Amino acid sequence: ETGVTQTPRHLVMGMTNKKSLKCEQHLGHNAMYWYKQSAKKPLELMFVYNFKEQTENNSVPSRFSPECPNSSHLFLHLHTLQPEDSALYLCASSQEVDGTGYYNEQFFGPGTRLTVL
Amino acid sequence: AQKITQTQPGMFVQEKEAVTLDCTYDTSDPSYGLFWYKQPSSGEMIFLIYQGSYDQQNATEGRYSLNFQKARKSANLVISASQLGDSAMYFCAMRDVYNQGGKLIFGQGTELSVKP
Repeated sequence: ETGVTQTPRHLVMGMTNKKSLKCEQHLGHNAMYWYKQSAKKPLELMFVYNFKEQTENNSVPSRFSPECPNSSHLFLHLHTLQPEDSALYLCASSQEVDGTGYYNEQFFGPGTRLTVL
Repeated sequence: AQKITQTQPGMFVQEKEAVTLDCTYDTSDPSYGLFWYKQPSSGEMIFLIYQGSYDQQNATEGRYSLNFQKARKSANLVISASQLGDSAMYFCAMRDVYNQGGKLIFGQGTELSVKP
């Protein structure tokens, strides 16, 4: 595997289900991100993890729960979602340059298209 | 607060012609980076080109170039010799160079259609 991978690519779930999205980056990066992309809207940043520590939670509802067990893997746990949560969920990674606070470009995975019934 | 604006929801261009996609930004930080990404119908975001706020020259990557006008706060993407495979959504994004975690702020996107 190369780059950033995401599974599953498509997910349909009911409002009472619990599911998880998985992201894995094979680039040796130390920062990972979750974005939500709803139809006709720009990408919305949800969470940022830097060296496995969450550095940003962009006012995301608690029904979305991120987990970053190591710098290569990122999960998004979903429970009791609403139909308006249906969207494309994109994972990305990037590399901080030598502790400078400067980050290179983000590389994105193919996304998980989520439908909540 | 940072803001990115793309005012062209959709653009059409004839194959082999050049096209310019507009992007304006607003920030109070002196150090920032500007990015363009391409999103085909498959959904994956593909990095195209980067311009740093202190870069003296406009960035170029193959058929992509960035027309950076700092005083006007614009960072337009120019695609030369358009190809059918260039049909996609294009997003402009901005990042403070020294912010925590390297997060990006995205514009609304421009849908480019290349006609044969």
